[in-house]
Amino acid sequence: GNSVTQMEGPVTLSEEAFLTINCTYTATGYPSLFWYVQYPGEGLQLLLKATKADDKGSNKGFEATYRKETTSFHLEKGSVQVSDSAVYFCARGKAAGNKLTFGGGTRVLVKP
Amino acid sequence: GAGVSQSPSNKVTEKGKDVELRCDPISGHTALYWYRQRLGQGLEFLIYFQGNSAPDKSGLPSDRFSAERTGESVSTLTIQRTQQEDSAVYLCASSLGGRYDEQYFGPGTRLTVT
Repeated sequence: GNSVTQMEGPVTLSEEAFLTINCTYTATGYPSLFWYVQYPGEGLQLLLKATKADDKGSNKGFEATYRKETTSFHLEKGSVQVSDSAVYFCARGKAAGNKLTFGGGTRVLVKP
Repeated sequence: GAGVSQSPSNKVTEKGKDVELRCDPISGHTALYWYRQRLGQGLEFLIYFQGNSAPDKSGLPSDRFSAERTGESVSTLTIQRTQQEDSAVYLCASSLGGRYDEQYFGPGTRLTVT
């Protein structure tokens, strides 16, 4: 079936540390891929996206590359800040309607 | 308003009662989605509306769940004879309707069935 798997949290880091959150997907065809973020007390918002193989999405210092050969879309940031503390969701969209299938979410806590 | 709004923000109901959740999408957005987020889990797709096309109901978990949308405006999600397993945050999102268009999420309605 079509699913999204991401690493379980919580992930606890110190400020300026390197962050990686793994995400893999299963799908037929060529889905679009997304990372959404939910900051404490706020709604879900799009962080970045990639729509075809080898595309790199980037925003706010975060990056993720659409890897078709490994069916992965890992999220990375080179130097995290306390304000990056949030829950991060990986998602894939279907061609028809773009309804999203989400991973289970990864809670990230960055300590000063 | 500028974003997607949902009401109520919180709803506590007794098992067996019906509830109705409301979503106001961003003006001009033709696509509207409902998702459910159970505690500690990811979001599950429930239903999708696109313009005047027949809705995609493939994610609705049972026939107790239904949703309507009037044109390209407000949508209501109705849960009949609520069960405790229906307790979750129900999220609405809207988009311009293109394949890669960003979905903008509302703040959600937290439903608790006692």
